[in-house]
Amino acid sequence: DTGVSQDPRHKITKRGQNVTFRCDPISEHNRLYWYRQTLGQGPEFLTYFQNEAQLEKSRLLSDRFSAERPKGSFSTLEIQRTEQGDSAMYLCASSPGEGYRDAYEQYFGPGTRLTVT
Amino acid sequence: RKEVEQDPGPFNVPEGATVAFNCTYSNSASQSFFWYRQDCRKEPKLLMSVYSSGNEDGRFTAQLNRASQYISLLIRDSKLSDSATYLCVVNRPGSSASKIIFGSGTRLSIRP
Repeated sequence: DTGVSQDPRHKITKRGQNVTFRCDPISEHNRLYWYRQTLGQGPEFLTYFQNEAQLEKSRLLSDRFSAERPKGSFSTLEIQRTEQGDSAMYLCASSPGEGYRDAYEQYFGPGTRLTVT
Repeated sequence: RKEVEQDPGPFNVPEGATVAFNCTYSNSASQSFFWYRQDCRKEPKLLMSVYSSGNEDGRFTAQLNRASQYISLLIRDSKLSDSATYLCVVNRPGSSASKIIFGSGTRLSIRP
C-alpha cells in the first residue's frame, strides 16, 4: 500500500500522559500536514512541513504540541500532558508540494483517534 | 464569521436526483480550491480540484465564482453511494506560509 499511513489507529490515555503519533506520507510527496478533527467539524489545520522544514504552525498548536519530520520522510506529533480537550481524530496528509501541477492536492491517512480519560 | 462556510445540511434527496451545494470563502487572496468527501469515521478523500474554468468528472461538476467568492459542487444522477459529508477546502498562500482551511462540511443523504 503506497498511501499515507498513521500509527497507532487508536490511542486511549489518561490525562497528563504524553502521547506520540507517527505518520508516513506518500514517498514522493514533499509536503506533510497535521490536522485535528472533532465530531461534526471539518479538519483543523495544525502544522505542515516542506521536506524537513516546519513552515507553519496554527495557533491551535499550543506549547504542549510538537511535531517533527527529521529526515523529510515520516513525521511525529507529540502531545505532552494531555487534557480531555485533546480528544479528537488526528489526521495526517501529504501532497506533492511546489512545482507540481497538483501541488496542493492532499491525500489523507486513516487518522489516529485519541481519547483522553 | 468563519473564513470558509458551508451549509451543514443534511441534504436528503432521492436516488437519481441532481443536488448542488456551495461553499463561500471570505478571503479574496484564496488561490486553490478543492472538494473532498468524507464517509462516517473515515478520512477525507480528494474528490476534485476546482479550477478557474470549472471542471467536470463524470457526474460531478465543480465551479469557482471569484467575484462572489464561492465554489460549488453539482452531483447529477445521484447514487446511494454518494451519501457522505462533502468538505470544501480553501488554500490561501501567504508571504511565508500557506493557510489551508476546511469547511465544516455538508451532509448528503441519498434515499432509495
